[in-house]
Amino acid sequence: EAQVTQNPRYLITVTGKKLTVTCSQNMNHEYMSWYRQDPGLGLRQIYYSMNVEVTDKGDVPEGYKVSRKEKRNFPLILESPSPNQTSLYFCASSTLLRTGRRTGELFFGEGSRLTVL
Amino acid sequence: TQLLEQSPQFLSIQEGENLTVYCNSSSVFSSLQWYRQEPGEGPVLLVTVVTGGEVKKLKRLTFQFGDARKDSSLHITAAQPGDTGLYLCALAGGTSYGKLTFGQGTILTVHP
Repeated sequence: EAQVTQNPRYLITVTGKKLTVTCSQNMNHEYMSWYRQDPGLGLRQIYYSMNVEVTDKGDVPEGYKVSRKEKRNFPLILESPSPNQTSLYFCASSTLLRTGRRTGELFFGEGSRLTVL
Repeated sequence: TQLLEQSPQFLSIQEGENLTVYCNSSSVFSSLQWYRQEPGEGPVLLVTVVTGGEVKKLKRLTFQFGDARKDSSLHITAAQPGDTGLYLCALAGGTSYGKLTFGQGTILTVHP
């Protein structure tokens, strides 16, 4: 089954304790991206990757790191989490987000709800 | 940064009513997508519109792209409880081919 898998789905942690949210897709997609979702703010893009070893900042990258060493995996790293990073996080992938004026379909994981105390 | 405004933010209606959700941008965009998200799940793509003036239909859902490619609307005819969810518009445009900007979403509740 084609899917994007995120782990953990739920996590409660404390300020400053490094954590990693993993994301894996089995569709051989080049493009992957991380979003955070907060009430009233919709989805805000954190980082994205156009392909292996190619990553770039989205609109809210502060406090986050990513890596893309393999095509299928795109982990999100919070080196020193703070309470304002409490949120619902989504990983998504696509064959190629944009070609000319066409935009590809984004496939989302089920989300990871993170609480930082 | 291209800004997307969605309205209304909340919509609560009775089964059988019609509704329209709007998505407006501060600048022209190359294409716009509509996604639907149910509680506990990630968003799922409904449609992509590219051409100014384009109209697409998906059963009881009608999507329209403004002539100037700065706005879009989603119209649902005879809403059903199964239509309940969060509706998000998303736009791609500009020089960054990796950025997809989402609106803040419209929470739709359809009561039986």
